[in-house]
Amino acid sequence: DTGVSQDPRHKITKRGQNVTFRCDPISEHNRLYWYRQTLGQGPEFLTYFQNEAQLEKSRLLSDRFSAERPKGSFSTLEIQRTEQGDSAMYLCASSSFWGTEAFFGQGTRLTVV
Amino acid sequence: AQKITQTQPGMFVQEKEAVTLDCTYDTSDPSYGLFWYKQPSSGEMIFLIYQGSYDQQNATEGRYSLNFQKARKSANLVISASQLGDSAMYFCAMREGQGTNAGKSTFGDGTTLTVKP
Repeated sequence: DTGVSQDPRHKITKRGQNVTFRCDPISEHNRLYWYRQTLGQGPEFLTYFQNEAQLEKSRLLSDRFSAERPKGSFSTLEIQRTEQGDSAMYLCASSSFWGTEAFFGQGTRLTVV
Repeated sequence: AQKITQTQPGMFVQEKEAVTLDCTYDTSDPSYGLFWYKQPSSGEMIFLIYQGSYDQQNATEGRYSLNFQKARKSANLVISASQLGDSAMYFCAMREGQGTNAGKSTFGDGTTLTVKP
């Protein structure tokens, strides 16, 4: 399978715990994006990387959130001190530099209890 | 301000019939791209079709076509010959600005399409 893969698919955590999600983009894609999708709404942009550089962050990305893409390949999204409002689907997407479309992974569904 | 508006929370269509899903957008940037994605219950966002703001002709991809009316700022998705597998959530999205930052888009809240046998 050469699509975008995300791990884990589901995560249940207690409020206050830290969680980390991983995204493996399509191998030749140098752009990688993170989105958050809450129930009944469309995805909201969080941040994006070009290679290893994080070029843009949404104001939705509070200081409890951090994303990395250390070698320009896979990326991680960490949420510290999780809150119930963090419960959502976290989607990763990748695209080539000249591509007109982004390819999404199946997402990580986070439930904070 | 909402930049993408999908006014139909839910739509029903009979199998083999055509259906139109509405999308209006708001931007002051002359250069933008419009996308439609399908999201089945599994969660993955599947790209369906793309329309650039300077494209002269409406985009088509198989059974999908995009009815682009620039002056009205609308980009409706038409699905012809609906199939049971088309039942899913459909999202309209917009990327503003020049360049090909394909993934940085603003999404609408989606329309749930149910295809009836």
